[in-house]
Amino acid sequence: EAQVTQNPRYLITVTGKKLTVTCSQNMNHEYMSWYRQDPGLGLRQIYYSMNVEVTDKGDVPEGYKVSRKEKRNFPLILESPSPNQTSLYFCASSSLGQGYNEQFFGPGTRLTVL
Amino acid sequence: GQNIDQPTEMTATEGAIVQINCTYQTSGFNGLFWYQQHAGEAPTFLSYNVLDGLEEKGRFSSFLSRSKGYSYLLLKEPQMKDSASYLCAVRDRGGNKLTFGTGTQLKVEL
Repeated sequence: EAQVTQNPRYLITVTGKKLTVTCSQNMNHEYMSWYRQDPGLGLRQIYYSMNVEVTDKGDVPEGYKVSRKEKRNFPLILESPSPNQTSLYFCASSSLGQGYNEQFFGPGTRLTVL
Repeated sequence: GQNIDQPTEMTATEGAIVQINCTYQTSGFNGLFWYQQHAGEAPTFLSYNVLDGLEEKGRFSSFLSRSKGYSYLLLKEPQMKDSASYLCAVRDRGGNKLTFGTGTQLKVEL
């Protein structure tokens, strides 16, 4: 089954404790992206990647890191989480090139930073 | 950059037709998407427009006017299960970067 998976689905942590949220897709997509979703603000892009070893900042990259060592994986790293990073996070992937190339979203990770 | 506006909330009666509007201002445009998102779940793709006109996909249709920076999503015969948030998103000219509106929360009532 074609899908985007994220782990963990739920996480409660404390300020300053480094964490990684994993994202993996099995559709051989070139493009991957991370979003955060907050009430009243909608989905905002954190980082995206057009291919292996190619990453770029989205609209709200501060406090986050990403890497793209393999095509299928795109982990999101919070080196020193803070309470303002409490949010619902979505990973998405799509193919590139001609066509509409819809983005497929993972199930989401609900993060609480105390 | 992109700026996208949608109404925050709408209510529809089961079986009627509901139209959700989206306006955008953009420095580059390469398509407009509509997604549906049920509470606590991931967004799922509904429709895509890159040229002016109407695209129909079952009970959902989407319209685009590039000159007016305007789109709408039309839902025929809405059902209770269609109660969800509807997200309008614009893709930039350079690649696959999507900018989302804040979504329209649709409530379908009997």
